[in-house]
Amino acid sequence: KAGVTQTPRYLIKTRGQQVTLSCSPISGHRSVSWYQQTPGQGLQFLFEYFSETQRNKGNFPGRFSGRQFSNSRSEMNVSTLELGDSALYLCASSLRSGAGELFFGEGSRLTVL
Amino acid sequence: DQQVKQNSPSLSVQEGRISILNCDYTNSMFDYFLWYKKYPAEGPTFLISISSIKDKNEDGRFTVFLNKSAKHLSLHIVPSQPGDSAVYFCAASVNSGAGSYQLTFGKGTKLSVIP
Repeated sequence: KAGVTQTPRYLIKTRGQQVTLSCSPISGHRSVSWYQQTPGQGLQFLFEYFSETQRNKGNFPGRFSGRQFSNSRSEMNVSTLELGDSALYLCASSLRSGAGELFFGEGSRLTVL
Repeated sequence: DQQVKQNSPSLSVQEGRISILNCDYTNSMFDYFLWYKKYPAEGPTFLISISSIKDKNEDGRFTVFLNKSAKHLSLHIVPSQPGDSAVYFCAASVNSGAGSYQLTFGKGTKLSVIP
């Protein structure tokens, strides 16, 4: 069974640009969550989607947004990039919302110059 | 305000000995706790979990202990192996309503098992 797939794995952007990251969950998983990992803050919750609906949102500014498609694939977008947005963005899927175990992808490493 | 704290950024243990990783939390609403392991250039992988109604859960070499009164949990690895060298994240969850949830992670502890 294929794992969680995130694309692109690495990308470099400049301040003010926008970026879209993609996540394909494990087949059959309907919940997709996004996390930001930075050396100083660890893993911080961005948002969770289940059946195309955002179920929960972390404490991030409105520049961070996401969506989920009918096939459970998810995208997250960051607009007007800032230097502090440089991080590893991790996507995780699970069978259902409210379940404890998440399966993570390898992440998308974003560098903002 | 950090709700899940892993106060030891790193830990070194000799192969064959016990590794004890600690985690403290402040939110009494947390009802489910998990440990994840992360190797460089990989995403975190689930290791073991415990519900707030239990005080111990064991899976092979890994045991998690929960002390609700102290708001403390620990992960014991016995015996430690070099392949256990990784960053370990403690995480906690609370039902956020309507069946949704979010995991709150600690900042991680880097475990090095010395052969």
